[in-house]
Amino acid sequence: EAQVTQNPRYLITVTGKKLTVTCSQNMNHEYMSWYRQDPGLGLRQIYYSMNVEVTDKGDVPEGYKVSRKEKRNFPLILESPSPNQTSLYFCASSSRSGTDTQYFGPGTRLTVL
Amino acid sequence: GDSVTQMEGPVTLSEEAFLTINCTYTATGYPSLFWYVQYPGEGLQLLLKATKADDKGSNKGFEATYRKETTSFHLEKGSVQVSDSAVYFCALSGSQGNLIFGKGTKLSVKP
Repeated sequence: EAQVTQNPRYLITVTGKKLTVTCSQNMNHEYMSWYRQDPGLGLRQIYYSMNVEVTDKGDVPEGYKVSRKEKRNFPLILESPSPNQTSLYFCASSSRSGTDTQYFGPGTRLTVL
Repeated sequence: GDSVTQMEGPVTLSEEAFLTINCTYTATGYPSLFWYVQYPGEGLQLLLKATKADDKGSNKGFEATYRKETTSFHLEKGSVQVSDSAVYFCALSGSQGNLIFGKGTKLSVKP
């Protein structure tokens, strides 16, 4: 089954404790991206990747890091989480570019205390 | 820059009512336009899209027509069901090769 998976689905952590949210897709997609969803703000892109070893900032990259060492995986790293990063996070992938149909993961709800 | 404005919700309708969710956009060039839907507890999924002016996207009884003259892409459905309750996002393909989303409209359909 074609899908995007994220782990964990739910995470409660404390300020400053490094965490990683994993994302994996099995569709051989080149383009992957991370979004955060906040009430009243919709979805905002954090980072994206056009292909292996190619990543770039989206609209709200501060406080986040990503890597793309393999085509299928695109982890999101919060090296020193803060309460304003409490949000619902989605990973997405698409065939070649961000303007192709994007396939979304189920989401990770993060709470930073 | 490119942006999407969609009507604020929540929108509450009775089953079998007519649905319209307005969406207008600002963009350079000729973007593709999309409607994504997010059911409770799930990620977004593509509902329909249109890639050029006057195109009509349709799926599951939903329709939207790409209107270049009014820079709009309103979502319509003739008869909503309880199972249509979800958050609907309008989006466009940005000039930098990304998707730009509206803030979302929550639809609740009552039996």
